[in-house]
Amino acid sequence: EPEVTQTPSHQVTQMGQEVILRCVPISNHLYFYWYRQILGQKVEFLVSFYNNEISEKSEIFDDQFSVERPDGSNFTLKIRSTKLEDSAMYFCASSGGNRGSVYGYTFGSGTRLTVV
Amino acid sequence: KQEVTQIPAALSVPEGENLVLNCSFTDSAIYNLQWFRQDPGKGLTSLLLIQSSQREQTSGRLNASLDKSSGRSTLYIAASQPGDSATYLCAVMNTGFQKLVFGTGTRLLVSP
Repeated sequence: EPEVTQTPSHQVTQMGQEVILRCVPISNHLYFYWYRQILGQKVEFLVSFYNNEISEKSEIFDDQFSVERPDGSNFTLKIRSTKLEDSAMYFCASSGGNRGSVYGYTFGSGTRLTVV
Repeated sequence: KQEVTQIPAALSVPEGENLVLNCSFTDSAIYNLQWFRQDPGKGLTSLLLIQSSQREQTSGRLNASLDKSSGRSTLYIAASQPGDSATYLCAVMNTGFQKLVFGTGTRLLVSP
C-alpha cells in the first residue's frame, strides 16, 4: 500500500537554529499538508499546498514557517529560527483529490522535533 | 469556528466486548468526517471516511455512523481485541476548507 514517508523520525535542534523536515507524499497525490501535535494536545493543521502554492494556512503558520516542493517528489517544511514551543510531532499528509475527496488523507509516521 | 469533542477521553474494556466511541462537532456544515487510529509515538492511520451525504461506513469490525444535523458521529468496534488498544481520533473537514479539525481523542485499552 502506498505510504507517505517522513525523515528524519526524530530531530533535536538548538533554539534559534533552522530545521527542515522532509516528506515524500504518495506519488499520484496532488494535495499536501503539514500538521503538528504538541505532546498531550490535539493534532493541529498548519498548511495545505496545491499546484505549487499554499492554498490554506492556520494562524500558527507564521513567517517562521515555509513550505516547498523542490522537485517532483519531496515536500518540505522549514522552520527558520526554532523556539522551545516548536517542539512537537510534525505530520505530513497527502490526498488524491480536492479536500480529501473520496479517499481521505494519508498521513506519514511523523517527525518528532525537540528544541533544546 | 469548528470544535470537535470526543467522549470518553479514555476507555478500558476486556477483550471481546463491543464498544462505541463518540465524536461531536459544533458546525454541521461538514464535507466529510474521518476516523483515525494513533499508536503511541506513531503516525495516524486512517480507519474510515464518511462523506457528508453518507450515513455510515463499515470496514471489518469497525462501523462509523454520521448524523450531520445533530453534529455527531460514532465509531463502533465489534468484538474488541488487545490489538485495538490505541488512541482513536475523529476529524472533520468543513465545506469550503481543506484542513481537518481534530478531536481530543479517546484512549482505548483492551485487556486480554
